[in-house]
Amino acid sequence: DTEVTQTPKHLVMGMTNKKSLKCEQHMGHRAMYWYKQKAKKPPELMFVYSYEKLSINESVPSRFSPECPNSSLLNLHLHALQPEDSALYLCASSQRQGVVGYTFGSGTRLTVV
Amino acid sequence: DQQVKQNSPSLSVQEGRISILNCDYTNSMFDYFLWYKKYPAEGPTFLISISSIKDKNEDGRFTVFLNKSAKHLSLHIVPSQPGDSAVYFCAAQSSGSARQLTFGSGTQLTVLP
Repeated sequence: DTEVTQTPKHLVMGMTNKKSLKCEQHMGHRAMYWYKQKAKKPPELMFVYSYEKLSINESVPSRFSPECPNSSLLNLHLHALQPEDSALYLCASSQRQGVVGYTFGSGTRLTVV
Repeated sequence: DQQVKQNSPSLSVQEGRISILNCDYTNSMFDYFLWYKKYPAEGPTFLISISSIKDKNEDGRFTVFLNKSAKHLSLHIVPSQPGDSAVYFCAAQSSGSARQLTFGSGTQLTVLP
């Protein structure tokens, strides 16, 4: 298995909703990442988990809450989002933090209404 | 301040010809450079990388050239095929414990049949 799987592929949520994005990999990678990508912009790093511990938080608002329950899973819990949070959310993994050549998932297209 | 820049948002090339995508960077601490390819509604796919100690890396139809003195790298695709049409992101990793990926803004390549 050489993939990073993200679910759901599409999500529409209201500003008062609570939802979660899920990311899963079975490559034995010990670093996992959340990126946010707006249209016509490069992916921007949000969080890094290394060996299931939060390593980097790029000053992301608290309405985004990451969780790494085990070495294969990475969640992103969403609460009280704003319409400007609508974007493609990408999960990636690598053998260890900083190792060259991340593997990206296909992303979750999030729309906040 | 954009540390990785792709100044051409789009490029059109005839099938069979060479595609040259360019990237400039400002941070001398970058020691690895990567190219990712992205189709709509999919995550970025790793294409090819180059270490800062090299000036060329080749993989099939794809060659990356690095000019450290000019802080410039380029991706050559020869021959270009219609299936190569995608957004190409240049990315860089810096030395140090964090070693996070910094992406350029991307170049949309269109290969015309």
